[in-house]
Formats: sequence, C-alpha cells, structure tokens
Amino acid sequence: NAGVMQNPRHLVRRRGQEARLRCSPMKGHSHVYWYRQLPEEGLKFMVYLQKENIIDESGMPKERFSAEFPKEGPSILRIQQVVRGDSAAYFCASATGNEQYFGPGTRLTVT
Amino acid sequence: QKEVEQNSGPLSVPEGAIASLNCTYSDRVSQSFFWYRQYSGKSPELIMSIYSNGDKEDGRFTAQLNKASQYVSLLIRDSQPSDSATYLCAVETRGGNKLTFGTGTQLKVEL
Repeated sequence: NAGVMQNPRHLVRRRGQEARLRCSPMKGHSHVYWYRQLPEEGLKFMVYLQKENIIDESGMPKERFSAEFPKEGPSILRIQQVVRGDSAAYFCASATGNEQYFGPGTRLTVT
Repeated sequence: QKEVEQNSGPLSVPEGAIASLNCTYSDRVSQSFFWYRQYSGKSPELIMSIYSNGDKEDGRFTAQLNKASQYVSLLIRDSQPSDSATYLCAVETRGGNKLTFGTGTQLKVEL
C-alpha cells in the first residue's frame, strides 16, 4: 500500500467550493478504485476506473461527483459545490490480482 | 439485511490471548474475502485474504471461511497491544472487483 499515493492529505473547503482529490496507483497499475469513509461508517465503494475509462460508477452520487483517470497523470475525484455532508475520508486503492491496497487517503473537511 | 455484517465491539482481550473476529455476508456468489486492519486516522491495511473454504494461516493470523454458512472469521493469536485497531471485513461482490465492507470491529488488547 505504500505505493499508492494520494494528495492532498487534508483538504478544507467552504460550502459551495470545488474539491479535487488526486490518486496515483502503484507503479505499473492502470486501475484505481475510490472509496469514501464517512465518520462512524464503513468504507463505501464509489467508482472503479482504468486509464481513460470508467468501469463501474455504481457507488457515485448522481450529482456533483465525477471521476476520471486520464492517459497521463493521476486519477481525479472531483466534488462540485461541496456540502457539509461531503466531509469524509476518501481513499484510493489499486490492486494486485484480487487484493486491493489503499493509499493514505484525503481527509476532506467542509466548513 | 446488511451485505456484510460485523459486531462493532469493542472486543476486549488480554495481552497474549486469542482474539476472534467474525463476519457474515449475504451474497452467496461472493468468492473473495479480505480482512483489513485500520488504526485510528489511518488507511486500511490488508492483512489477510481467503478464497477457499477452510483455514488460512499467516503468522499470528488465521482466516477461516465457511461459504455454506456465509461466514468468515479472523483469529489473532498471542494478541499484542499493537493489535488494537478496527478490523474490517471485506467481500468482493459480483460484477468485478469492488469491495463491500462491514462497519468494522474495534479490538482492544489490554495489558
């Protein structure tokens, strides 16, 4: 899991602003998964992407949230017009076979 | 019924004892099962994966899987204070690779 990188580690946004979270998978991996952990709740799957393609976005809220993984550069999870309920830890993972390894996470606080 | 259920705890065990953590899941076609450890404020760390019925041992950890009963457990032998953390059970759901997590069991190992 040391190979999955996320930034920023902490992000503070005011209500209505945009949040951009970045994730670089382990070297050589071309798939990433995004999960969200709300306070006192379990990890929830959001989206699964490969380079230039969304494989499964069944866990993404229908509005304000989007994700991409361009051919070059990190995967980005974008949250538009953030609300207090978006405050959470957002984790990215990449996989070796079936085993997913998580990055350190981005802790988003909406004030 | 939740897809993956765990007792939230806390589960308290004395140092040196065996800690037993349990998890049940609802989707009969699930094939891959994982245990993650998460320290407060940190990201989940994969500690065990299991795919076949029976036991799988790795150092002080043993994972047990019973697909007929839809039950997976984690045993930690010779528990240490450093094992104090939240243990997350994760199940790979049908449709490719995304993990469904339980809400976790908090383990406290007391001196």
